[in-house]
Amino acid sequence: GDSVTQMEGPVTLSEEAFLTINCTYTATGYPSLFWYVQYPGEGLQLLLKATKADDKGSNKGFEATYRKETTSFHLEKGSVQASDSAVYFCALRNAGNMLTFGGGTRLMVKP
Amino acid sequence: GAVVSQHPSRVICKSGTSVKIECRSLDFQATTMFWYRQFPKQSLMLMATSNEGSKATYEQGVEKDKFLINHASLTLSTLTVTSAHPEDSSFYICSARSLGGYQETQYFGPGTRLLVL
Repeated sequence: GDSVTQMEGPVTLSEEAFLTINCTYTATGYPSLFWYVQYPGEGLQLLLKATKADDKGSNKGFEATYRKETTSFHLEKGSVQASDSAVYFCALRNAGNMLTFGGGTRLMVKP
Repeated sequence: GAVVSQHPSRVICKSGTSVKIECRSLDFQATTMFWYRQFPKQSLMLMATSNEGSKATYEQGVEKDKFLINHASLTLSTLTVTSAHPEDSSFYICSARSLGGYQETQYFGPGTRLLVL
């Protein structure tokens, strides 16, 4: 079946540091890939997405590139801020239109 | 953006009691609602999918008689954990999808943490 694996957290960084959260997936066919973010006390929000190989999703300074050859969708940001502290979930959507999530990675950014 | 609320946000109950969790879409009509369960450091696992006015579709391994789902209106779905036991302690998250929406218009609630003593 489909699965998503992402690095365990917490990831602790200082402000303005470079962020990478790794995500790899296993799926049949050609899934769409997503990153969701969950801020404390709130629901998951869609951060960015990519629907086909080599697509790059970007939003709020975050970006991720759909790499079919390595089945990866790593999340990156060049300079994190304290307000980016949250839990980040990588997910895929298969042909059946159902989401499969990774375990989530908590990011803590120290001011 | 669209808002989905859950109530309560946290609940502690004794073993053997039943607990009801509400999920509401506050500013849109949700034809489909999803219930997920998340264990510590693990993925969100889909428990069931419910469409307004019809019976929920449960994922394999989820006991439908233990996790009762009601989706009686386009803005409310409830999950009742019947005869809860300590192993039911978990984080339960609901999600709502608007009419005709694809997965990217699936909005998530903040979750309900259940602790069964």
